[in-house]
Amino acid sequence: DIQMTQSPPTLSASVGDRVTITCRASQNIDTFLAWYQQRPGRAPKLLVSDASTLESGVPSTFSGSGSGTDFTLTITSLQPDDFATYYCQQYSDYSPTFGHGTKVEIK
Amino acid sequence: QMQLQESGPGLVKPSETLFLTCNVSADSMSTSRYYWGWIRQPPGKGLEWLGNVYYSGTTYYNPSLKSRVTVNVDTSKKQISLKLISVTAADTGVYYCARYRSIVGAKGAFDIWGQGTMVTVSS
Repeated sequence: DIQMTQSPPTLSASVGDRVTITCRASQNIDTFLAWYQQRPGRAPKLLVSDASTLESGVPSTFSGSGSGTDFTLTITSLQPDDFATYYCQQYSDYSPTFGHGTKVEIK
Repeated sequence: QMQLQESGPGLVKPSETLFLTCNVSADSMSTSRYYWGWIRQPPGKGLEWLGNVYYSGTTYYNPSLKSRVTVNVDTSKKQISLKLISVTAADTGVYYCARYRSIVGAKGAFDIWGQGTMVTVSS
């Protein structure tokens, strides 16, 4: 299995802040990486695929980058709706695996 | 907008079999671009992929659960199903069905999710 490690587990921030979440793969996954947002009590929502391709309708304040083993999800100006948990997921092989999540909470 | 809806028993006894279905509101499930999958989330924890199925019936499973999981598709009913045998308390959680968009062959991302259904394993 390819292991995905996210950091930090929890991040405290304020509206308007720039936040960065990192995801590291246990082996090279090229750019086969997706990011999801999950609000409490809701299903996850796909934000980014191919490490940096924003899904339709996702605000441009979100961006993804990276390749190989190291990836980042950046929110340039945190909005109230952005307080949620974020997961990365690799699809380099036929057994997709998720990171353990990063909870973005209000400072 | 396509929707997915999970259904099944909310409570299952230990050692028994969990069976869930997911109804897909789509014109057709038989499109080459998509697979259909199941993901679960224990209370307060992260996401775990269980398995995917193609409209042809080809399946892919999480290696750690492969001996206990079966995913099937019925394109005529527009439905996918999950069977999990020999359940224990560790199988408690929210179970989601989702559409898996192929990006490179059978590898991709879950782009549409159901709302999820809570399953508790308890006697």
